[in-house]
Amino acid sequence: QKEVEQNSGPLSVPEGAIASLNCTYSDRGSQSFFWYRQYSGKSPELIMSIYSNGDKEDGRFTAQLNKASQYVSLLIRDSQPSDSATYLCAVTTGANSKLTFGKGITLSVRP
Amino acid sequence: ETGVTQTPRHLVMGMTNKKSLKCEQHLGHNAMYWYKQSAKKPLELMFVYSLEERVENNSVPSRFSPECPNSSHLFLHLHTLQPEDSALYLCASSQDSQGHSPLHFGNGTRLTVT
Repeated sequence: QKEVEQNSGPLSVPEGAIASLNCTYSDRGSQSFFWYRQYSGKSPELIMSIYSNGDKEDGRFTAQLNKASQYVSLLIRDSQPSDSATYLCAVTTGANSKLTFGKGITLSVRP
Repeated sequence: ETGVTQTPRHLVMGMTNKKSLKCEQHLGHNAMYWYKQSAKKPLELMFVYSLEERVENNSVPSRFSPECPNSSHLFLHLHTLQPEDSALYLCASSQDSQGHSPLHFGNGTRLTVT
């Protein structure tokens, strides 16, 4: 089983819709969870970090963490064409708290 | 301005060449990283340095040799690379290497090995 898995994409949503990006992880002891956004040809940039169960909101972005079910998700409300990018889920795993990335999912927001 | 600067942005090298990638962080962080990003694959951790000391080496071939002279600078020395080493090489820094603080990435070096 892969340590961090993301839905196979790409995901396409119309402008103004809610985009839902999901990520599951295998290490039950994971403590830190991050979502990064990567535009084509650019480096990843941090969108959200979340450390405890529940929801964390920042503008149009909401991260949701459920440690019992071992998933973390990112919701993007009122999606804009500028949100079109690849979104990477990252989770600290293992005894040495290594940050492990998922493959990423490409989001396309249609005008 | 990301706070983490990488040079060069693009590099083309032959298999017998020796070159170095440079990274500098201006964020006062204590940990620095090298990642490799290939198409259709997750980001692969190569090396981690914490306070200039290497704390992780993820079974990377010896043709990649890191150097961390101080907490602000990180190098990746390359020699006798293979075409499959062509990828985007990303440097990152974080407050600590314990996994609790987020990574800040540089713009990367796009490496092509011919």
